[in-house]
Amino acid sequence: AQSVAQPEDQVNVAEGNPLTVKCTYSVSGNPYLFWYVQYPNRGLQFLLKYITGDNLVKGSYGFEAEFNKSQTSFHLKKPSALVSDSALYFCAVRDMRQGNTPLVFGKGTRLSVIA
Amino acid sequence: KAGVTQTPRYLIKTRGQQVTLSCSPISGHRSVSWYQQTPGQGLQFLFEYFSETQRNKGNFPGRFSGRQFSNSRSEMNVSTLELGDSALYLCASRGLAGGVGETQYFGPGTRLLVL
Repeated sequence: AQSVAQPEDQVNVAEGNPLTVKCTYSVSGNPYLFWYVQYPNRGLQFLLKYITGDNLVKGSYGFEAEFNKSQTSFHLKKPSALVSDSALYFCAVRDMRQGNTPLVFGKGTRLSVIA
Repeated sequence: KAGVTQTPRYLIKTRGQQVTLSCSPISGHRSVSWYQQTPGQGLQFLFEYFSETQRNKGNFPGRFSGRQFSNSRSEMNVSTLELGDSALYLCASRGLAGGVGETQYFGPGTRLLVL
């Protein structure tokens, strides 16, 4: 079975500092990995995904994520955090070998950027 | 291109009633998935429809049902509402072929409150 873990419920970072939101996954085959962001009272917005190729994926709003197969991780990063980045972040995975199974989401990490 | 739209955005019902939620996917998308989001359980998959056929189903009771029309619009129905059904219901649509690597795009959600 596929699963995603986001080990931190909450991450606090000062504006201008780099931020990292952690994600680890478990699949039997190769993973498709996604990051989404959710602002209050809104749906999920797609940030970036890893399908294949370069392990460093660049996405929207200056976010990037690094796929690490040996550590089964896909951490989300941004070099300089903005107050407007404060939101709920979700990591999701689909096992390439499982075909069209649903995306499995982590529990989410609440990011708070302090001015 | 217009995004995923959901109606209504907010809904208040009482226990025992039924409710129907509607989702219009991005033009050309044939896969529509539904999720329930609650603070305690996070994002839980309800079902996915592709070309009017249910392709995947989550672990929800039979009170939760859905359908998809020939224009890819989808509805979900919850009968005999319970207090625990209070949640944000999210709809997401996916690519032209609904393939495994394609990105899911989410609507703004319908917030259901059951009294």
